Amino acid sequence: SQQGEEDPQALSIQEGENATMNCSYKTSINNLQWYRQNSGRGLVHLILIRSNEREKHSGRLRVTLDTSKKSSSLLITASRAADTASYFCATVKGGSYIPTFGRGTSLIVHP
Amino acid sequence: NAGVTQTPKFQVLKTGQSMTLQCAQDMNHNSMYWYRQDPGMGLRLIYYSASEGTTDKGEVPNGYNVSRLNKREFSLRLESAAPSQTSVYFCASGGGSYEQYFGPGTRLTVT
Repeated sequence: SQQGEEDPQALSIQEGENATMNCSYKTSINNLQWYRQNSGRGLVHLILIRSNEREKHSGRLRVTLDTSKKSSSLLITASRAADTASYFCATVKGGSYIPTFGRGTSLIVHP
Repeated sequence: NAGVTQTPKFQVLKTGQSMTLQCAQDMNHNSMYWYRQDPGMGLRLIYYSASEGTTDKGEVPNGYNVSRLNKREFSLRLESAAPSQTSVYFCASGGGSYEQYFGPGTRLTVT
């Protein structure tokens, strides 16, 4: 069963715009991760945020975590056509090391 | 480094046939995983291996068996394929951190 649920399911934007996708989860976590999947490829790890962190940056990526609301957001700034992909959040519960993946957000960036 | 490799890339089986999906990693990771990905379902864990010599069931193990041949290799076997096993199968590995590294996937169709 999915622990994390991404929202929206699909997002279509123009190049240069920012893209924001959200992830909500149900139980307390140790950490939350975001992965990207290009069409026909495997998932690639983007960023991990621990439960005691509120915000993390990596290049054009910004991830926030609100444990009181059990939610996270991934912001991609100044999107490029190459950012077109599906993005998945994955949660790791306390006492475990295995992530549980959501259903993903499909992002299309139009050039 | 090749990372995580999977063979074959594509496979078509008839109902009742058997096959083994192969996975190997060259990152000296202890943990290895098998997932299936179906449209709208995200990734679901089939089996995992925390270390050489151990295997455990995931969320959807029925109809599958696994073998952790050594630290590098983790295979997934379908003894009697069913149309419900039509899916994309991903192998992943993980080291001391929580992030996972994925192979390119095997696209399996069972007719």
